[in-house]
Amino acid sequence: GESVGLHLPTLSVQEGDNSIINCAYSNSASDYFIWYKQESGKGPQFIIDIRSNMDKRQGQRVTVLLNKTVKHLSLQIAATQPGDSAVYFCAEFRRGGYNKLIFGAGTRLAVHP
Amino acid sequence: EAGVAQSPRYKIIEKRQSVAFWCNPISGHATLYWYQQILGQGPKLLIQFQNNGVVDDSQLPKDRFSAERLKGVDSTLKIQPAKLEDSAVYLCASSLDRGDFRGGDNEQFFGPGTRLTVL
Repeated sequence: GESVGLHLPTLSVQEGDNSIINCAYSNSASDYFIWYKQESGKGPQFIIDIRSNMDKRQGQRVTVLLNKTVKHLSLQIAATQPGDSAVYFCAEFRRGGYNKLIFGAGTRLAVHP
Repeated sequence: EAGVAQSPRYKIIEKRQSVAFWCNPISGHATLYWYQQILGQGPKLLIQFQNNGVVDDSQLPKDRFSAERLKGVDSTLKIQPAKLEDSAVYLCASSLDRGDFRGGDNEQFFGPGTRLTVL
């Protein structure tokens, strides 16, 4: 079936290092993806999005890369900080008669001092 | 700008009991969503309202779950009777989305969720 999933459930990094979180999707017709950050006890928070007509999009300390050939996207966080510790989800935005998000399982990012 | 409000934040009940969750979306947001997030998993859409009408409830276990959105604003999600496997965080989200794809209008803003434990 169609799904959005993540390769690694947990990622541990040292403060100051760069983090890379990966996500695979299976619906080749998907044309819009979003990364969310979820801190403990909070709802998911929008980080960055990318449309399928782009390969790369940069935000503040974050970059999302999209490889449509292998149906893969990644979230890169530069100079990871303790405040980046959270669970990160990629979500596929499906358009149709009504629009909805399909979330992957998530990757927990743990930043160590 | 006030965010999405949810209450209660935590609820513990025994199986076969009933429970209700409340959500107040961001003012002016046409679309409201209820998600179920089981521990260690991503949120799963249960039901989606556009104004006060249901546009997608395909993942809602209708034998025990029900939801309504009165006057196209606040919404309640009810479980009756609860099962052990209903233990999860129930997230409410809202967006400006009026059905067509308009980039930023589709951004969903999430509330803090209600953590339900069924014993």
